[in-house]
Amino acid sequence: GENVEQHPSTLSVQEGDSAVIKCTYSDSASNYFPWYKQELGKRPQLIIDIRSNVGEKKDQRIAVTLNKTAKHFSLHITETQPEDSAVYFCAAIPSGSARQLTFGSGTQLTVLP
Amino acid sequence: DVKVTQSSRYLVKRTGEKVFLECVQDMDHENMFWYRQDPGLGLRLIYFSYDVKMKEKGDIPEGYSVSREKKERFSLILESASTNQTSMYLCASSVGLAGTEQFFGPGTRLTVL
Repeated sequence: GENVEQHPSTLSVQEGDSAVIKCTYSDSASNYFPWYKQELGKRPQLIIDIRSNVGEKKDQRIAVTLNKTAKHFSLHITETQPEDSAVYFCAAIPSGSARQLTFGSGTQLTVLP
Repeated sequence: DVKVTQSSRYLVKRTGEKVFLECVQDMDHENMFWYRQDPGLGLRLIYFSYDVKMKEKGDIPEGYSVSREKKERFSLILESASTNQTSMYLCASSVGLAGTEQFFGPGTRLTVL
């Protein structure tokens, strides 16, 4: 099955700085890579996703990059704000499944004022 | 607006009890999922279902069973609760194949004494 590793487990940045979270996956056949954000006490919500036919996708201050050769993808948040503080999860579709996701272990991002 | 609801936010049970966690979605999604969330371990898939009366094991099905008698409802059953099943349980739903957004419920914090 798919194995998704996520780093770092915790990340603190100053407000206005950039944050980068990285994930690696094991199954070269994986073709869909979403990122979910979970604020304290709330449910995870999709913030951005990328499919294997593109290398980068942006949505305002967030972007995701994908390197299929190296089997890793990253979340980039620019101009961080206090409301970006949350746990972020990456995920990938495991081989043999088109419906389920395998999630990474999560990154606690703290944006310091 | 997709709504996924779970029967309880907090639940306290005793070792050996049979526990039912219920999840309901109102968007006619065919896929439904049960995860458990533990610090440092991310979201781990217990079971999922892609149709009424259909179920598939996830990564950690031991000690759990599920039931899907109606399309909108997916139940997680702990046949004999144990202390190591103390966790946050999240339900999610999605539509279709090939990587689509999963919509999560608010979660049930289960404590087994």
